[in-house]
Amino acid sequence: KQEVTQIPAALSVPEGENLVLNCSFTDSAIYNLQWFRQDPGKGLTSLLLIQSSQREQTSGRLNASLDKSSGRSTLYIAASQPGDSATYLCAVNQAGTALIFGKGTTLSVSS
Amino acid sequence: GAVVSQHPSWVICKSGTSVKIECRSLDFQATTMFWYRQFPKQSLMLMATSNEGSKATYEQGVEKDKFLINHASLTLSTLTVTSAHPEDSSFYICSAPDVGVGGPTYNEQFFGPGTRLTVL
Repeated sequence: KQEVTQIPAALSVPEGENLVLNCSFTDSAIYNLQWFRQDPGKGLTSLLLIQSSQREQTSGRLNASLDKSSGRSTLYIAASQPGDSATYLCAVNQAGTALIFGKGTTLSVSS
Repeated sequence: GAVVSQHPSWVICKSGTSVKIECRSLDFQATTMFWYRQFPKQSLMLMATSNEGSKATYEQGVEKDKFLINHASLTLSTLTVTSAHPEDSSFYICSAPDVGVGGPTYNEQFFGPGTRLTVL
């Protein structure tokens, strides 16, 4: 059974810092991996989608990498801003099934 | 990207009543939709897979008689929480996959904005 783990569970940084969020999964037979952002009491905002054949994806200050064989993904946030404060969720897609989510990393960026 | 809507965005009801939540794919057809539930400070947990024109598939521990799912068209799935109780209070969110060229490859999944259910 696929399990997704995110470390750390919470992270507090000052504005301007670069940071890395980690995601690991137990079954490397995935179709793709998505990173989401969730603000308190809100739905999900898709940030990046990495196909299993890809190594990384970039969008603005965000860069996500995928090492499928080792079951790991990282989300790199450059020059963090207070507006980046949210919970970041990692989810894997095993073809034909729903997404399997990690418990998330709650990020707080102070000004 | 594809858009998925949910209605209502929030609902408060009395214990024992039933609540219907709608999930619509606005600009694409979805033969499959997924229903998730998220309790406070927890991650999203899959409740059931909704299949157009056939019965839903429920995850272990989810009562199919309590959470009725109907997927009558290619753009609409409904989740009805029957005889709701306070422990059913949660954030319910649906998603639909974008079927890639060449078949149901479940490429990117698009999520609705969620429905906050509070049962008094």
